[in-house]
Amino acid sequence: NAGVMQNPRHLVRRRGQEARLRCSPMKGHSHVYWYRQLPEEGLKFMVYLQKENIIDESGMPKERFSAEFPKEGPSILRIQQVVRGDSAAYFCASSPTSGPRGDTQYFGPGTRLTVL
Amino acid sequence: DQQVKQNSPSLSVQEGRISILNCDYTNSMFDYFLWYKKYPAEGPTFLISISSIKDKNEDGRFTVFLNKSAKHLSLHIVPSQPGDSAVYFCAAGGGGSEKLVFGKGTKLTVNP
Repeated sequence: NAGVMQNPRHLVRRRGQEARLRCSPMKGHSHVYWYRQLPEEGLKFMVYLQKENIIDESGMPKERFSAEFPKEGPSILRIQQVVRGDSAAYFCASSPTSGPRGDTQYFGPGTRLTVL
Repeated sequence: DQQVKQNSPSLSVQEGRISILNCDYTNSMFDYFLWYKKYPAEGPTFLISISSIKDKNEDGRFTVFLNKSAKHLSLHIVPSQPGDSAVYFCAAGGGGSEKLVFGKGTKLTVNP
């Protein structure tokens, strides 16, 4: 049973370019979460999606960032016009159900974005 | 505003001894708490969790204690093994939200 898949594992972009990060949840999971980890920091929640719906985007920066989880295919976190401050590790997690059981959030290996 | 705090950035323990990692929180709406373990260049791996209706949960060498009145939880690892060396994150959730709020982590080193 494959775990949460993220690609690419490493992504290098120049300032002003676009970054697209992909996340395939575990089989049977319909809930996806994106977190960002800056150097020397903990993980910070960005967005929670279910298939075709954004449920909670309270952690998303107001501009340049967007996320989707289409009916078919992986969840995408898109960062437009990247800046150096976007350099971070981006983690995706998935869970099979909603409810107060956070231990069901399983994390992928992360995408390390470097902005030159 | 840091709602989950891990005040010790690092901890060094001898193999076979007990490791105690601490975590404090400020939001009384949190109703479940988790510990994740993370190796470099990997994603966090779930270790153990506890609901606010309990004060202790045990799984093998790992035990989590919750003191709600003090808004404090701790992870005990006994006996500690060199393979336990990693960064440990405390996380909290609840209050009607699905998101987890993480501490900054404690780097545990278990010396042989």
